[in-house]
Amino acid sequence: TQLLEQSPQFLSIQEGENLTVYCNSSSVFSSLQWYRQEPGEGPVLLVTVVTGGEVKKLKRLTFQFGDARKDSSLHITAAQPGDTGLYLCAGGFNDYKLSFGAGTTVTVRA
Amino acid sequence: DTGVSQDPRHKITKRGQNVTFRCDPISEHNRLYWYRQTLGQGPEFLTYFQNEAQLEKSRLLSDRFSAERPKGSFSTLEIQRTEQGDSAMYLCASSPPRGGTEAFFGQGTRLTVV
Repeated sequence: TQLLEQSPQFLSIQEGENLTVYCNSSSVFSSLQWYRQEPGEGPVLLVTVVTGGEVKKLKRLTFQFGDARKDSSLHITAAQPGDTGLYLCAGGFNDYKLSFGAGTTVTVRA
Repeated sequence: DTGVSQDPRHKITKRGQNVTFRCDPISEHNRLYWYRQTLGQGPEFLTYFQNEAQLEKSRLLSDRFSAERPKGSFSTLEIQRTEQGDSAMYLCASSPPRGGTEAFFGQGTRLTVV
């Protein structure tokens, strides 16, 4: 059982459209991270958020951590085919262990 | 390339055989983790090392699994008497001291048990 629920499970959009994926939990996390994973590869760290209400921007990607530190969202503006991949959120319980969601598979069609 | 390195990338083995995977972390990282990922799921925590000490083992790590990190550098994960249910991607990650939960992952070892 994974403590983090990600939605939607799959998302397919046209190049240039915007998208948002969500990560929710009933647990409070000390930190939350977003990773992107391509088939056959390991996850690549995109961002870490630690403060409730925090918003971080990474080019066309905007990450938000909920005020209660139980949920997060990832918004991509003007998606490109290179954004295609599995987006994973992971919550930190202590200073080393991560609990991952099952991920959202994003496909951006050219 | 100074990222986390895992070897082999792919392993096909017959049920009942033993397999061993190796992980070389980023050189200045003293913390090392093993995760397992099955199709359609996110990675699941298996074990954690700080330097050479194994500080936590998940209940997912049955007695057929053993992990070591001699001298606090590279790590090995051994699976004895493999079963079909062991088929998965085995991911190694490392973190610097006082780096919180940020983990840098290797490319993984894909294990297929036939």
